[in-house]
Amino acid sequence: DAKTTQPPSMDCAEGRAANLPCNHSTISGNEYVYWYRQIHSQGPQYIIHGLKNNETNEMASLIITEDRKSSTLILPHATLRDTAVYYCIVRTYTGYSTLTFGKGTMLLVSP
Amino acid sequence: DTAVSQTPKYLVTQMGNDKSIKCEQNLGHDTMYWYKQDSKKFLKIMFSYNNKELIINETVPNRFSPKSPDKAHLNLHINSLELGDSAVYFCASSSYIDQGKNTEAFFGQGTRLTVV
Repeated sequence: DAKTTQPPSMDCAEGRAANLPCNHSTISGNEYVYWYRQIHSQGPQYIIHGLKNNETNEMASLIITEDRKSSTLILPHATLRDTAVYYCIVRTYTGYSTLTFGKGTMLLVSP
Repeated sequence: DTAVSQTPKYLVTQMGNDKSIKCEQNLGHDTMYWYKQDSKKFLKIMFSYNNKELIINETVPNRFSPKSPDKAHLNLHINSLELGDSAVYFCASSSYIDQGKNTEAFFGQGTRLTVV
């Protein structure tokens, strides 16, 4: 079973920041937080991951709370092409492990 | 170039048939996976291979048999197809690198299997 809780859906206006929350209160010390997204009819796409520090790349920023029990994915300037299901996943970084997908958050970016 | 490619993209077949889905990755990864996404859109791991060896088998019927001829390929063969096998199947790859760390996974575009 997925170890994360996300809202089922969110709306965002084009050009605004999209802030997607995720709760992972049972996260272990050796587990990272990963974010993937799935645009309709496509394969999941890696966005970003982090352990405890905030992370930023060309796609998004990841803010992890100090107690690591929750995180927020930030898309700074959402576009229509960001409409997708966003998955927050906790995964051990070491040792063989797979991605366990939950239900994710359906983000709808509107004009 | 496509990093993880699957063929075919669409597959329609009758119950009882045997079919295969092929997957190839050109990323130099040593770990490959098969995921199944059902009609409710849940993505579930089926198999994981590392260096051609089966690592994870998640309670999948033995009608499903993955085969990894080399590190770059992981094919999925399905015997005696059933209606419930209809789903989108995704192949993915990643690397298990120094000190046992996993890199992010890259996914193919999926194979939509419809059993009629």
